[in-house]
Amino acid sequence: GDSVTQMEGPVTLSEEAFLTINCTYTATGYPSLFWYVQYPGEGLQLLLKATKADDKGSNKGFEATYRKETTSFHLEKGSVQVSDSAVYFCALIPPGAGNKLTFGGGTRVLVKP
Amino acid sequence: NAGVTQTPKFQVLKTGQSMTLQCAQDMNHNSMYWYRQDPGMGLRLIYYSASEGTTDKGEVPNGYNVSRLNKREFSLRLESAAPSQTSVYFCASSREEIYEQYFGPGTRLTVT
Repeated sequence: GDSVTQMEGPVTLSEEAFLTINCTYTATGYPSLFWYVQYPGEGLQLLLKATKADDKGSNKGFEATYRKETTSFHLEKGSVQVSDSAVYFCALIPPGAGNKLTFGGGTRVLVKP
Repeated sequence: NAGVTQTPKFQVLKTGQSMTLQCAQDMNHNSMYWYRQDPGMGLRLIYYSASEGTTDKGEVPNGYNVSRLNKREFSLRLESAAPSQTSVYFCASSREEIYEQYFGPGTRLTVT
């Protein structure tokens, strides 16, 4: 079946460091790919998305590129801030699955001043 | 415009007790969802409703029932709670044709 695999956390960084969170997926056909973020004590929010191969999603300084050849959608940010401390979830919707998301396990990121 | 609201925020149940988690959205969305979040497992879909009057099972529906009361409200019921249902429950909604799902703040449920 469809699945998403993320690197396990926690990832601890200093402010202004470079952040990469790896995400790979298994799915039939070409799924739509998403990154959601969960700040402490809150629900999830959509961070960015890509709906076809080679698309790049971007938002709030974060970027991720849909790589069909490596079935990956890695999240990157060039210079993190303390306010980026959160749990990040990679997710997909397979073709024909309506709007039903399949999530990865989440990666906790802690940015220290 | 409150978005997606959930009640209660916290709940402790004894094994065998029943309860209903409430969810409402004010964005006129057609689709609504219930997820559970467990450590290291991300979110897993319990039930969803593509439109008013319809509901379908997700990945982990056993032990739960749902009701789409109207377009705004989607409730999740635990008929006989079990410790394995200890989790954080999230409700979400979306427009049918747009992929973004909007999440509520969650309900932390503990079953002892």
